[in-house]
This record gives sequence, C-alpha cells and structure tokens, in this order.
Amino acid sequence: SQKIEQNSEALNIQEGKTATLTCNYTNYSPAYLQWYRQDPGRGPVFLLLIRENEKEKRKERLKVTFDTTLKQSLFHITASQPADSATYLCALWFTGTASKLTFGTGTRLQVTL
Amino acid sequence: NAGVTQTPKFQVLKTGQSMTLQCAQDMNHEYMSWYRQDPGMGLRLIHYSVGAGITDQGEVPNGYNVSRSTTEDFPLRLLSAAPSQTSVYFCASSYEREYNEQFFGPGTRLTVL
Repeated sequence: SQKIEQNSEALNIQEGKTATLTCNYTNYSPAYLQWYRQDPGRGPVFLLLIRENEKEKRKERLKVTFDTTLKQSLFHITASQPADSATYLCALWFTGTASKLTFGTGTRLQVTL
Repeated sequence: NAGVTQTPKFQVLKTGQSMTLQCAQDMNHEYMSWYRQDPGMGLRLIHYSVGAGITDQGEVPNGYNVSRSTTEDFPLRLLSAAPSQTSVYFCASSYEREYNEQFFGPGTRLTVL
C-alpha cells in the first residue's frame, strides 16, 4: 500500500527566510499532488495542486516541485512571515478505480520574528 | 457563498448513543466526503459520495452510515458511539472528482465517554 511521509517534527525558521517542507511517498507516483494549510481548530485549506507531468507550480510566495524519480514533492514558502505558521498537509491521488485522495500527517511550520 | 458548513461544532456522547453530524455545501459540488483526523494519523476517509443517491465506503467506514438524498447535504450517522470514535470530523466537497481542490468544513470535535 502507498505510504506518505511528512516530517513530524516542527520546522522552525526565521521571518524572511524560505521554508521548505517535504512530502515523500513510496511505490507508485500519484497523478495529482495537493498541498493544504491547516490552522489549529480549523479545516484544511487548499493551496496548490500539481500534476504528475508538471515539475513545478507557483502561486505568489508559494512554490511546489514534484520529482517522480525521487518520489518527493517539496513545498516552498519564500519570504516567510509569522502568519505562515500553520500545519501543512500534502495529499496524493493515484490513478485507478479504487484510488482515493490520501493525506499525509502534516508538518507544523513555526515562523518567528 | 457559505461554502461547506458543519454542525455541531462540539459534541459529547456516551458510549452506545447515536447521533448525526450534519454537512452541507452550497457550491453545487458532486463529490462530498467525510474524514476523521486523529493525532499522528492524518486525515482518514470514512465515506464518500460522487453524487446524489450514490455513496461508498472509504478507509475506515465501520460504525458509520451516510446517505446523499440531495446534492447539498451529506450527513454522517454514528450508529452506536464508541470511545474509539472520539475524533475531529471534517466534511469536504469538490467539483466532480476528489483529485480536484477540496473544500473543507470547520469540523466537529466529538468526544465519546
């Protein structure tokens, strides 16, 4: 079965730096990979989607890369701000009739002044 | 648009009680789903629906029932609550397929004593 790994340890970075979060998976490559932000006590909020034939996707200060050889997606937040502090989840969808969107456990990002 | 709404926000049940978690969306989305989120486990799919009158099981369906009589509503029923069902429950919807952007509700925090 597919496994999704996100660093369970919190990532602490200084304001203004670039935060990089990783999402690793095993076995088959997903057809779609999504990133969500979740604040405490709230539901996840969609940020970006990248398809298997795309290497990179950008949205404002956010950038997602997708490396099917390394079986890894990187999520970058440039010029990070304290308001970026949250938990970030990756979610993968694999081709197949029984496929469902599968979420990682998330990585908590803490941006300090 | 209200997006995805869930009620109640908090609920405490005794073992063996039954209840229904309500979920509604006003975006005319075909796909709706229920997840539970537990510490260290990530979001796990309970049930999903690809349209009115069509439902199917997800990863952890035991102890839960769903129905989809309208496009807007997708209630989740706990038949006989157990302490193992203590969790935070999220309803989500998306346009057509689950690999599209998921819109999540604010969640219901359920405690079963």
